[in-house]
Amino acid sequence: DVKVTQSSRYLVKRTGEKVFLECVQDMDHENMFWYRQDPGLGLRLIYFSYDVKMKEKGDIPEGYSVSREKKERFSLILESASTNQTSMYLCASTDWETQYFGPGTRLLVL
Amino acid sequence: QQQVKQSPQSLIVQKGGISIINCAYENTAFDYFPWYQQFPGKGPALLIAIRPDVSEKKEGRFTISFNKSAKQFSLHIMDSQPGDSATYFCAAGPSGGYQKVTFGTGTKLQVIP
Repeated sequence: DVKVTQSSRYLVKRTGEKVFLECVQDMDHENMFWYRQDPGLGLRLIYFSYDVKMKEKGDIPEGYSVSREKKERFSLILESASTNQTSMYLCASTDWETQYFGPGTRLLVL
Repeated sequence: QQQVKQSPQSLIVQKGGISIINCAYENTAFDYFPWYQQFPGKGPALLIAIRPDVSEKKEGRFTISFNKSAKQFSLHIMDSQPGDSATYFCAAGPSGGYQKVTFGTGTKLQVIP
C-alpha cells in the first residue's frame, strides 16, 4: 500500500512564526502536491512538484513556499504565518493519475 | 482558474436510498473525472473515475454518469449505507502525468438508519 505521512496531525503556531509542514511518501512517486482544505471551498492546490528541486505554483501560492530536496520528501513552508492560513493541509503523491493523500495537518495560527 | 462546480454542499439520505451528487466543469480539454471519498480524520481516497469515452461506469453500489455535451457528471450511490457517510469530492483534469486536477467544493453525505 502507498503510504503518505505528514509530520504533524495538529499544530498551533503564533502569527509571524515560520512554519514547516513535512510530507513523506514511500512509493517513489515523481509528483507531489500540497493542498489546503477549507469548509465550502474544497481542496485548493498550493504548490506541486514533478521532480526533485522542481516546483510549480498552484492556484493559491501566496504566502507559501515549498522545498523538495529528496524525491520522497516535499515540504510546505509558511514564511510568516498569518491567521488566514489556519486550515487543514493535505499532501498527496501520484503515480500517474490517482492521488494518494496523507492524513492531513490541522494548523491553527493564533 | 478552471472551475469545477459541485452540488449539493450537504446531503442527508435514508439508509437504502440513492445518494446523488452532481458536478459541472468548464474546460473541454478535461478528460479525466475522478471522485474521492474522505472520512473524518483521514485524507481523501480515490473512489471511482471515468473518462469521456463512456457515459457510465459502475463499481459495486457506486456509479458515475457522464454527459459530455452538458459538461456534467454525477455520482450515484445505490442502497446507501451509514458507512457511506463521508465527504465526497469530484475532480476534473487532463489525464496522465503530473497534470493536476481541479477539485470541487465537496459534498458532506450523511446516511441515517
